[in-house]
Amino acid sequence: QKEVEQNSGPLSVPEGAIASLNCTYSDRVSQSFFWYRQYSGKSPELIMSIYSNGDKEDGRFTAQLNKASQYVSLLIRDSQPSDSATYLCFFSTGGFKTIFGAGTRLFVKA
Amino acid sequence: DAGVTQSPTHLIKTRGQQVTLRCSPKSGHDTVSWYQQALGQGPQFIFQYYEEEERQRGNFPDRFSGHQFPNYSSELNVNALLLGDSALYLCASSLSRTVRTGELFFGEGSRLTVL
Repeated sequence: QKEVEQNSGPLSVPEGAIASLNCTYSDRVSQSFFWYRQYSGKSPELIMSIYSNGDKEDGRFTAQLNKASQYVSLLIRDSQPSDSATYLCFFSTGGFKTIFGAGTRLFVKA
Repeated sequence: DAGVTQSPTHLIKTRGQQVTLRCSPKSGHDTVSWYQQALGQGPQFIFQYYEEEERQRGNFPDRFSGHQFPNYSSELNVNALLLGDSALYLCASSLSRTVRTGELFFGEGSRLTVL
């Protein structure tokens, strides 16, 4: 079983729709969860972090964490063409072990 | 406030050669991590440096080595280059107290092509 599973996509949504991105992880010790956005040819940038079960909202972004089911998701409301990028989930176990997912490519059609 | 800077941005090497990549962390950051990102893949953790010592290492061979200097800048060295080493090499800096939380700031990367 892979340590992290993330659908590579591409995920295509129309402008204004909700984009839903998901990650599952196998290491139950994982404590900290993050979403990074990476535009084509650019480096990743942190957009959301979540540490406890439930939802965390920041503007148009909502991160959801369910430790019992070992998944984390990112919802992007009112998707814009500028949201088109690869979204990487990232986990930290609380020690120094960290891991990125392979990334989901999102296309928002105008 | 300078962010993370990496050099060179692009380079081409041939198989068997050696390469050194450099990174200056964001001002105030003391921890540097290096990642390899192949096309279409997520970043793969190479190693992390803190207080001039390698604190954690990913699943990379000994051909990959690094160093951190007293000013927190870092180098990544790769010996005996293989075609499969062609990738984007990313440097990420963070504060030691946040490293466990995964708040990383990335440089723009060094694109290595091995011919």
